[in-house]
Amino acid sequence: EAQVTQNPRYLITVTGKKLTVTCSQNMNHEYMSWYRQDPGLGLRQIYYSMNVEVTDKGDVPEGYKVSRKEKRNFPLILESPSPNQTSLYFCASSLAGKGYGYTFGSGTRLTVV
Amino acid sequence: AQSVAQPEDQVNVAEGNPLTVKCTYSVSGNPYLFWYVQYPNRGLQFLLKYITGDNLVKGSYGFEAEFNKSQTSFHLKKPSALVSDSALYFCAVRDINQGGKLIFGQGTELSVKP
Repeated sequence: EAQVTQNPRYLITVTGKKLTVTCSQNMNHEYMSWYRQDPGLGLRQIYYSMNVEVTDKGDVPEGYKVSRKEKRNFPLILESPSPNQTSLYFCASSLAGKGYGYTFGSGTRLTVV
Repeated sequence: AQSVAQPEDQVNVAEGNPLTVKCTYSVSGNPYLFWYVQYPNRGLQFLLKYITGDNLVKGSYGFEAEFNKSQTSFHLKKPSALVSDSALYFCAVRDINQGGKLIFGQGTELSVKP
């Protein structure tokens, strides 16, 4: 089944403890992206990648890192999480090109205390 | 900058009645427009898209959307609503000038009552 897989689904952590949210897609998509969803703010892009070893900042990149060493994987790294990073995170992928929509993962609900 | 707006935070419809969820857009050039649905505790699911061609686009679960260039709108419609259609709906535009980013509206909560 074509899908984007995120792990974990739920995570509670403490301030300052480094964490990684994994994202993997099996559709050979070139484009991958991370979004966060917050009430009243909608979905905001954190980082995106147009292909292996090509990443760029989205609208809200502060406090996050990403890497794209393989085409299928695009992990999101929080080096020193803070409570304002408590959110619902989505990974998404698509083929390159203007006419393609995204396929989304099921989401990761992160709570930083 | 490209943007989309969903003017209604919530839409309430009785089951069996037609529904409309509104979306307007602002883009330079040709718009690439999408609708997604989010059920509770789930990711976003693709419903339909407009790239070019027929202004009436048909999608999943009986939904359709009408592209109106003069009104810069892309409203989502369904002739007969189901209780199971209750969810959060997002309109989005793909911005090819910003790395292909999908720019989302704020979302509209659709509630269908029996």
